[in-house]
Amino acid sequence: RKEVEQDPGPFNVPEGATVAFNCTYSNSASQSFFWYRQDCRKEPKLLMSVYSSGNEDGRFTAQLNRASQYISLLIRDSKLSDSATYLCAVRIYGGATNKLIFGTGTLLAVQP
Amino acid sequence: DGGITQSPKYLFRKEGQNVTLSCEQNLNHDAMYWYRQDPGQGLRLIYYSQIVNDFQKGDIAEGYSVSREKKESFPLTVTSAQKNPTAFYLCASSIDHRDYTQYFGPGTRLTVL
Repeated sequence: RKEVEQDPGPFNVPEGATVAFNCTYSNSASQSFFWYRQDCRKEPKLLMSVYSSGNEDGRFTAQLNRASQYISLLIRDSKLSDSATYLCAVRIYGGATNKLIFGTGTLLAVQP
Repeated sequence: DGGITQSPKYLFRKEGQNVTLSCEQNLNHDAMYWYRQDPGQGLRLIYYSQIVNDFQKGDIAEGYSVSREKKESFPLTVTSAQKNPTAFYLCASSIDHRDYTQYFGPGTRLTVL
């Protein structure tokens, strides 16, 4: 089983729709969680960190469920410009291990 | 303007040649990282450096080498021993190794012919 798993998509949604992505992780020692956005042939850009209590930034809401070991990203009122690949990243820190593990990404295509 | 720069953006090399990818940051970050990204795969960690003159192997270090002689610079050499070097290479940095909010450079797309 991969340490971090995402549904690769693509998620094809109309403008204005609400879309949610999940990302599951297998290591219970995971400590920090992030969502990155990556446009085609570009570098990943930090979208938001994910806090235990959940957090919101405009149309984007991130949540963490430690019991079920997943994080989620909700995008409301989708825009054409939201079309991109969304990567989740999980930090594992403990003993000799200290690294950030990325999922393979979920592709979102917002249709006019 | 603070940020991470990588050069060149595109690089073509013949099989069997070593090639060095540049990564520079002026964010005053202690930690720097190299990843490679292949189609349909997540980012995989090649090497990382928590501080000047120190670096550790990541998950796929074979066929690669790095140096960290200056805080601002973390060049990656792709050697001829790397079996499948064609990939998108991404450099990242974070304030220090305890802060894992990583910021990425624009990447170098390496093609080995």
